[in-house]
Amino acid sequence: EVQLLESGGDLVQPGGSLRLSCAASGFTFSTYAMNWVRQAPGKGLEWVSSISASGGTTYYADSVKGRFTISRDNSKNTAYLQMNSLRAEDTAVYYCAKHGPGLVHFDYWGQGALVTVSS
Amino acid sequence: DIQMTQSPPSLSASIGDRVIITCRASQSIISYLNWYQQKPGKAPKVLIYGASNLQSGVPSRFSASGSGTDFTLTVSSLQPEDSATYYCQQTYGTPYTFGQGTKLEIK
Repeated sequence: EVQLLESGGDLVQPGGSLRLSCAASGFTFSTYAMNWVRQAPGKGLEWVSSISASGGTTYYADSVKGRFTISRDNSKNTAYLQMNSLRAEDTAVYYCAKHGPGLVHFDYWGQGALVTVSS
Repeated sequence: DIQMTQSPPSLSASIGDRVIITCRASQSIISYLNWYQQKPGKAPKVLIYGASNLQSGVPSRFSASGSGTDFTLTVSSLQPEDSATYYCQQTYGTPYTFGQGTKLEIK
């Protein structure tokens, strides 16, 4: 059974940093791209970042480019999202999502981690 | 960036009704269109991928069609458990944009 478990969500002050982790199990982690998607309170879904299976290619939404860094450790079956220079508008539930075969869709999602940016 | 526009933003329908949600892309995305269902407090769940392929385990009352810029999601006979928000998403290219969502309520 595929499982994705996010951790690291917290309350952080504006300008602060946080690292989210996504621990994966139930599939061959090193062969699938991974993604982060966020959802601000009461709002829709916003894609944040993607990383290729090898970790060699990364993509970011303009809203986080230069502040967030996606990475993965295939030996630990874990993906990460390092978030720096956090702003109030980054407040959201952050989901990690596994890319499906052929890079068409996000076939499995974690339960989400809440990040609150507030003083 | 590719903009995804869903309609309607919300709708209310009765059990057994046929419901259609539409999604339009700002440029051709061929068939790189997915549909997700999200219930309150839960993670999204994929229903349809590649414009018309039913994800394993999803009830057959869900179907979808379209290509290029215009896509539809159809629920053939609405059930109580279908009350949720539905999102389309394009994966033709990054940023992988989502539609703004359609909130489906049961009368």
